[in-house]
Amino acid sequence: DADVTQTPRNRITKTGKRIMLECSQTKGHDRMYWYRQDPGLGLRLIYYSFDVKDINKGEISDGYSVSRQAQAKFSLSLESAIPNQTALYFCATSDRTGSDTQYFGPGTRLTVL
Amino acid sequence: QKEVEQDPGPLSVPEGAIVSLNCTYSNSAFQYFMWYRQYSRKGPELLMYTYSSGNKEDGRFTAQVDKSSKYISLFIRDSQPSDSATYLCAMKNSGGSNYKLTFGKGTLLTVNP
Repeated sequence: DADVTQTPRNRITKTGKRIMLECSQTKGHDRMYWYRQDPGLGLRLIYYSFDVKDINKGEISDGYSVSRQAQAKFSLSLESAIPNQTALYFCATSDRTGSDTQYFGPGTRLTVL
Repeated sequence: QKEVEQDPGPLSVPEGAIVSLNCTYSNSAFQYFMWYRQYSRKGPELLMYTYSSGNKEDGRFTAQVDKSSKYISLFIRDSQPSDSATYLCAMKNSGGSNYKLTFGKGTLLTVNP
């Protein structure tokens, strides 16, 4: 089984709808991250969490919110989706060791019409 | 000047060729350097990780870091069609902000049989 899973893998929604993307990990890592990937813009950090009670905004948090329900679960919400939130969304985890290497999930392809 | 610059390609080579992928950066505080490989419709997977300057070899892959020139490279020997993917460089500081990965935008590589 994959160490980092994301659901759904694909989602099409309409402008104004609320949508939640979920991430679960079995790696036992404390740190979790949400990124979006857009053509020509690369990977950009939306939110990150160092533990259940420590949640921080990344470089592009406007229009997004997150919830860390447990060490293993980190959800990303779009309260009112807009078309420019159409992107690939990735969850990642890391274990705060010296390298703090990040491991990515398979991604969610979100389309907002 | 962007913190990390990476030529997006695309780069197309014949099977068996030696491939050189490169990134330059401007932040002299970067200490950890990574290469991720991303297949189409998949999440990035860590390929190589290097701390500070020097070379690291893993099979057909060699990562080089030249901190004096702020330049990192990934070499792929005897390239195979299965190496066709987007390659992302990533780097980060040590210390308090060491969670934050700064990515290049990725180079799309195609290895033709």
